[in-house]
Amino acid sequence: EDKVVQSPLSLVVHEGDTVTLNCSYEVTNFRSLLWYKQEKKAPTFLFMLTSSGIEKKSGRLSSILDKKELFSILNITATQTGDSAVYLCAVEYRNTGNQFYFGTGTSLTVIP
Amino acid sequence: KAGVTQTPRYLIKTRGQQVTLSCSPISGHRSVSWYQQTPGQGLQFLFEYFSETQRNKGNFPGRFSGRQFSNSRSEMNVSTLELGDSALYLCASSLAGGGNYTFGSGTRLTVV
Repeated sequence: EDKVVQSPLSLVVHEGDTVTLNCSYEVTNFRSLLWYKQEKKAPTFLFMLTSSGIEKKSGRLSSILDKKELFSILNITATQTGDSAVYLCAVEYRNTGNQFYFGTGTSLTVIP
Repeated sequence: KAGVTQTPRYLIKTRGQQVTLSCSPISGHRSVSWYQQTPGQGLQFLFEYFSETQRNKGNFPGRFSGRQFSNSRSEMNVSTLELGDSALYLCASSLAGGGNYTFGSGTRLTVV
């Protein structure tokens, strides 16, 4: 059965800490892996990863994919209170069209 | 440019009723996907529409249906509502399906 598992489920850190969020997957016909940030309602896109070993970076956030070991990590350095959110990992696979499996998310709380 | 617009934002219905939710994608986007988000299950894929055709369907009962119009706007219908249908329903659009989806803010449905 296809699945996407995120860990940890929740995390509380202090401002300035570095965090690593994990996403492992078992999905046939893998196409890409995406990270989203969900603060209130609408998840907002962070990264899309398709190739192993190539780091994507945006400011203090970075992510990398390992297609051999079937996982991805999302790193956030020098965390700020504005980073508090649920981080969602989604794996896109090709069926007759395109479809995603989402993990249940990691809830990150950054305290001052 | 305008984002993905979902209406209504909030909805309260009683068991047994039916409900229709609306999603207007970003202009030019032809793929629209629907997701159900609950605290325990995370985001679960309902269906994807592309050019007025349903390309993919998740594992939901037939009470959940949808359609897409020629202007790419999409509607989702749930008949014979059950308490367990209470959730945040998110719509996401992309140019042709796959990759970076843009999510709407969702419709919060409460069934009492």
